[in-house]
Amino acid sequence: SQQGEEDPQALSIQEGENATMNCSYKTSINNLQWYRQNSGRGLVHLILIRSNEREKHSGRLRVTLDTSKKSSSLLITASRAADTASYFCATPTGTASKLTFGTGTRLQVTL
Amino acid sequence: ETGVTQSPTHLIKTRGQQVTLRCSSQSGHNTVSWYQQALGQGPQFIFQYYREEENGRGNFPPRFSGLQFPNYSSELNVNALELDDSALYLCASSFGGHYGYTFGSGTRLTVV
Repeated sequence: SQQGEEDPQALSIQEGENATMNCSYKTSINNLQWYRQNSGRGLVHLILIRSNEREKHSGRLRVTLDTSKKSSSLLITASRAADTASYFCATPTGTASKLTFGTGTRLQVTL
Repeated sequence: ETGVTQSPTHLIKTRGQQVTLRCSSQSGHNTVSWYQQALGQGPQFIFQYYREEENGRGNFPPRFSGLQFPNYSSELNVNALELDDSALYLCASSFGGHYGYTFGSGTRLTVV
């Protein structure tokens, strides 16, 4: 079962524009993580935000977390063609801290 | 510092056969997890190994089994392959399992 749901499912923007994708989850969390996946390859860890944090920045990435609404957003500023990928939010759950992923947002950045 | 290495990168098997996928975890990481990702879906947790013991399992049948070795590398074994087992299999390592994971590039398994 999917814990997170990303929105939108697909997003197409031009280079230089900002991209915002959202994630909702169902259970209480310790942290929430965002990953990028290029063309069905392995996932790359982008950023982790803890449940007691509201906002976090890393380079052109800005992540917000609203635990009262069980939602998070990922903002990529000044998008580049190389940002074209699928983006997933994931939350660790259970004693094994297994990551439960959403279905992802497919981002297409065109020149 | 090396990342997570998976082998092979691609594999084609016949229904009913058995397959073993391999993963070398990132240096310093003691926890290895395996995920199955069907086309167009998010990864699904199969199981996790910590200090050579299974430390959690997702909703996968017993024909999915694994091992973790003293050097923290790991294997995923799938018996009696079914067509629906066709997917990208991802290995991820971490230290303790509560922080960000490092993923390998995956093994693309096709069952025909």
